[in-house]
Amino acid sequence: EAQVTQNPRYLITVTGKKLTVTCSQNMNHEYMSWYRQDPGLGLRQIYYSMNVEVTDKGDVPEGYKVSRKEKRNFPLILESPSPNQTSLYFCASSLSGNEQYFGPGTRLTVT
Amino acid sequence: AQSVSQHNHHVILSEAASLELGCNYSYGGTVNLFWYVQYPGQHLQLLLKYFSGDPLVKGIKGFEAEFIKSKFSFNLRKPSVQWSDTAEYFCAVNAQSSANKLIFGAGTRLAVHP
Repeated sequence: EAQVTQNPRYLITVTGKKLTVTCSQNMNHEYMSWYRQDPGLGLRQIYYSMNVEVTDKGDVPEGYKVSRKEKRNFPLILESPSPNQTSLYFCASSLSGNEQYFGPGTRLTVT
Repeated sequence: AQSVSQHNHHVILSEAASLELGCNYSYGGTVNLFWYVQYPGQHLQLLLKYFSGDPLVKGIKGFEAEFIKSKFSFNLRKPSVQWSDTAEYFCAVNAQSSANKLIFGAGTRLAVHP
């Protein structure tokens, strides 16, 4: 089954404790992206990757890192999480960067 | 900078009522347009998309949208809603020249009462 998977689905952590949210897709898509969803703001792009070893900033990249060492994986790294990064995070992938397929989301709470 | 406006943040309808959700974007060039739906507790799913051609596009579950270039609009419609349409709806736009950058509207929460 074609899908985008994210882990973990729920995470509660404390300020400053490094964490990684994994994202994997099995559709051989070149393009992958991370978004955060906040009430009243819709989805905002954090980082995107057009292919292996090619990443670029989206609209809200501060406090986040990404890497793309393999085509199927695109982890999101929070080196020192802060409470304002409490949010719902979605990973997405696509062949062309147009029609995107979304993962199930990761709800992160930073206390 | 590109932006997307969804005029209705919350919409409440009774079953069988007609639905129209507004979406306007700001960008002077050629765009691709999308509507996504997010059912409670689920991830976003594509409802429909417009890249070119007939400005009236039909999507899944009886939804359709009309692209009006002169008004920079891409409104979503459904003639008769069902309780199962209760969800949040997002309009999204990207410029064909920078397809990696997808800009979302703030979303519209639709509640359909039986």
